[in-house]
Amino acid sequence: GEDVEQSLFLSVREGDSSVINCTYTDSSSTYLYWYKQEPGAGLQLLTYIFSNMDMKQDQRLTVLLNKKDKHLSLRIADTQTGDSAIYFCAETQDTGRRALTFGSGTRLQVQP
Amino acid sequence: NAGVTQTPKFQVLKTGQSMTLQCAQDMNHNSMYWYRQDPGMGLRLIYYSASEGTTDKGEVPNGYNVSRLNKREFSLRLESAAPSQTSVYFCASIGSSGSPLHFGNGTRLTVT
Repeated sequence: GEDVEQSLFLSVREGDSSVINCTYTDSSSTYLYWYKQEPGAGLQLLTYIFSNMDMKQDQRLTVLLNKKDKHLSLRIADTQTGDSAIYFCAETQDTGRRALTFGSGTRLQVQP
Repeated sequence: NAGVTQTPKFQVLKTGQSMTLQCAQDMNHNSMYWYRQDPGMGLRLIYYSASEGTTDKGEVPNGYNVSRLNKREFSLRLESAAPSQTSVYFCASIGSSGSPLHFGNGTRLTVT
């Protein structure tokens, strides 16, 4: 079945770059997403990438997709304390129920 | 434009009590979903509704029932709450193909 895995924790210093990694098993994944969750809040979509793309950049965020290795990464440039949150990787196919399968989330801690 | 609205925000139940979590979206989306979020486990799909009048089980449906009342509303019912159902519940909806999942702000449920 589908599986999405992420490391649980990442700590960086303010101003450094953060790289959050994700691996998935479903080769038929069509869309891959990054969501951000701040304490006590819902999930906020950060960015997403279609499976036929290798890279997507949006301001400080860069998403890299290695479809051969089923590896997705999110790079946050110039990380700020406001970036401290849990980041979820998720994937879906474009058919059937279209529900997202989520990883367990990576807690990013940004130290001043 | 409110997006996805969930009520209540917080609820405490005793074991064996019942309750219904409400969800409504105003984006004219066909598909709606209920997820639960537990520490270290990401989000797991409970039930989904691909369109008005249809509902299907997700990964963890036991102990829950759902109703797709109309296109806007998708409710989740716990008939006899158990401590294992202590969790944060998120409702979500999705529009056209490739568009992201929109989440509500969650219902934090504690069962004692």
